[in-house]
Amino acid sequence: DQQVKQNSPSLSVQEGRISILNCDYTNSMFDYFLWYKKYPAEGPTFLISISSIKDKNEDGRFTVFLNKSAKHLSLHIVPSQPGDSAVYFCAASVYPGNTPLVFGKGTRLSVIA
Amino acid sequence: DTGVSQDPRHKITKRGQNVTFRCDPISEHNRLYWYRQTLGQGPEFLTYFQNEAQLEKSRLLSDRFSAERPKGSFSTLEIQRTEQGDSAMYLCASSLAGGQTGELFFGEGSRLTVL
Repeated sequence: DQQVKQNSPSLSVQEGRISILNCDYTNSMFDYFLWYKKYPAEGPTFLISISSIKDKNEDGRFTVFLNKSAKHLSLHIVPSQPGDSAVYFCAASVYPGNTPLVFGKGTRLSVIA
Repeated sequence: DTGVSQDPRHKITKRGQNVTFRCDPISEHNRLYWYRQTLGQGPEFLTYFQNEAQLEKSRLLSDRFSAERPKGSFSTLEIQRTEQGDSAMYLCASSLAGGQTGELFFGEGSRLTVL
């Protein structure tokens, strides 16, 4: 049973527009969420995180929104750039750093120039 | 380079052979994780260590899989009697226990192909 779900395998966006990547989770014990980016032939790299005490966290062009009641989070990238083209993974844990991260299947983002 | 390093980057083996992967974590990190990633899937947790203690190993895929971290520094992941279904990317990650972010730092992975 997948505890972290990314239902869109792929997304294409024009350069300069907003990219919105979605993630749903089923385990109500999760209270810490992270987004990772992965380029081909490289390991995943950390992008941004949010804890359950917040509903929004921003870092430059990247913003993560958390809706605990809906068990849903989203990553917004504005403006999207061709270098953002990668696979994005949503991950969750019960307590920050205390349990192994559980990952979704990923969404492949293509930003078209 | 002070990141997580994994060796070898690629391994091709015949079914039935044993393979071993090595991971060197970031030096000050006391936690080390092994994940597996297959095509179209996200990283799947296998096992992790805090220092030399293996805190969770029930998620190892079968008794053919084993991992060690004998001195609390580098770790090895061994797969005995490999099967074609073991073909995957094996990812190692490290972190600092008690860190505020819970962020894992990943290596570039070891890709296994079983013929």
